[in-house]
Amino acid sequence: GDSVTQMEGPVTLSEEAFLTINCTYTATGYPSLFWYVQYPGEGLQLLLKATKADDKGSNKGFEATYRKETTSFHLEKGSVQVSDSAVYFCALGNAGNMLTFGGGTRLMVKP
Amino acid sequence: DTGVSQNPRHKITKRGQNVTFRCDPISEHNRLYWYRQTLGQGPEFLTYFQNEAQLEKSRLLSDRFSAERPKGSFSTLEIQRTEQGDSAMYLCASSLEGWRGAQETQYFGPGTRLLVL
Repeated sequence: GDSVTQMEGPVTLSEEAFLTINCTYTATGYPSLFWYVQYPGEGLQLLLKATKADDKGSNKGFEATYRKETTSFHLEKGSVQVSDSAVYFCALGNAGNMLTFGGGTRLMVKP
Repeated sequence: DTGVSQNPRHKITKRGQNVTFRCDPISEHNRLYWYRQTLGQGPEFLTYFQNEAQLEKSRLLSDRFSAERPKGSFSTLEIQRTEQGDSAMYLCASSLEGWRGAQETQYFGPGTRLLVL
């Protein structure tokens, strides 16, 4: 079945540091890929998505490129802020119904 | 766009009691999903509806769990005879139906946090 693996956290960075959170997937067919963010006490918010190979999703300074050859969708940001502290989830959607999530990566940004 | 809403936000119950949660999706969305998230884990799919039809159920959804979407709008998730292992965040999401099976974005509600004592 489909699966998503993302790097374990927590990831602790200083403000303005470069961020990478790795995500790899296993899936049949041509899934869509997503990054969701969850702030403390809140539900999941869509951060960005990509629907086909080589697509780049971007939002709020975050980027991720759908790499079919390496089955990866790594999340990057050039300069993190304290307000980016949250848990980030990589997910894939296949055949138009359920999403399969990774285990989440907690990011802590220190001033 | 008022977003997905869920009620209650928190529920504390004693083992063996029944609980019911409600989800109101984004109004034009015909698909509605339920997920469960335990502490430190990613959400796990439970079930989904297209309009009022329940199209898929996960093996995680034991006989004590039942979900309905009677008029194709709001949905309820009931857990009977709750157990301590049911303690989790229950998330609802909604989406449009993708064209030719394409994956449409799912928008999540704030969740209902259940604690079974």
